[in-house]
Amino acid sequence: DAKTTQPNSMESNEEEPVHLPCNHSTISGTDYIHWYRQLPSQGPEYVIHGLTSNVNNRMASLAIAEDRKSSTLILHRATLRDAAVYYCILRDRTGGTSYGKLTFGQGTILTVHP
Amino acid sequence: NAGVMQNPRHLVRRRGQEARLRCSPMKGHSHVYWYRQLPEEGLKFMVYLQKENIIDESGMPKERFSAEFPKEGPSILRIQQVVRGDSAAYFCASSLGGRSSFSNQPQHFGDGTRLSIL
Repeated sequence: DAKTTQPNSMESNEEEPVHLPCNHSTISGTDYIHWYRQLPSQGPEYVIHGLTSNVNNRMASLAIAEDRKSSTLILHRATLRDAAVYYCILRDRTGGTSYGKLTFGQGTILTVHP
Repeated sequence: NAGVMQNPRHLVRRRGQEARLRCSPMKGHSHVYWYRQLPEEGLKFMVYLQKENIIDESGMPKERFSAEFPKEGPSILRIQQVVRGDSAAYFCASSLGGRSSFSNQPQHFGDGTRLSIL
């Protein structure tokens, strides 16, 4: 499976934008880029995913580099509730025998200051 | 709309007892996944089930652990003869699609069962 690399931690102030980077230099043409987050004492929560084009939803935006070797999750106005561990995960749409599982790395711990 | 429901939220067992963790997927979802998060570690995939079938159990320990997802009722993760190292948070997730659409489908997680072994 192609690997992702994220910074261990990032900090932000409340109501400021946050850009969470993810490097995936060995990404294949069939990999979707997914983002999940895990708030303290909760299960992971789906945030957004994309393939080639930038994506927006009510939670966040996903900016994908033209060569797809990196992507950035953008929280437009951070709130205290956004403090969580953010995971960038690749999912190969061709599957193989392990098509169902999500492979979580260490993620980025986001701290939001009031 | 009810999300993924896991129970119990907390479970305490003594060494050697059995632990049964339950997961009811989101309405309409027929694909269930179990993950384990050991203290201070990341989430690790354990098993993927579709109704009455195990699709991928590559992350399941070879002994003492089993999972099922019967035609009726919740999915069950069963741990026999628990040991201290089984103490962890166990998360269940569910999704709509199968092989043809899995990579484009999110998994929806429950809030987990925290298992403590005395």
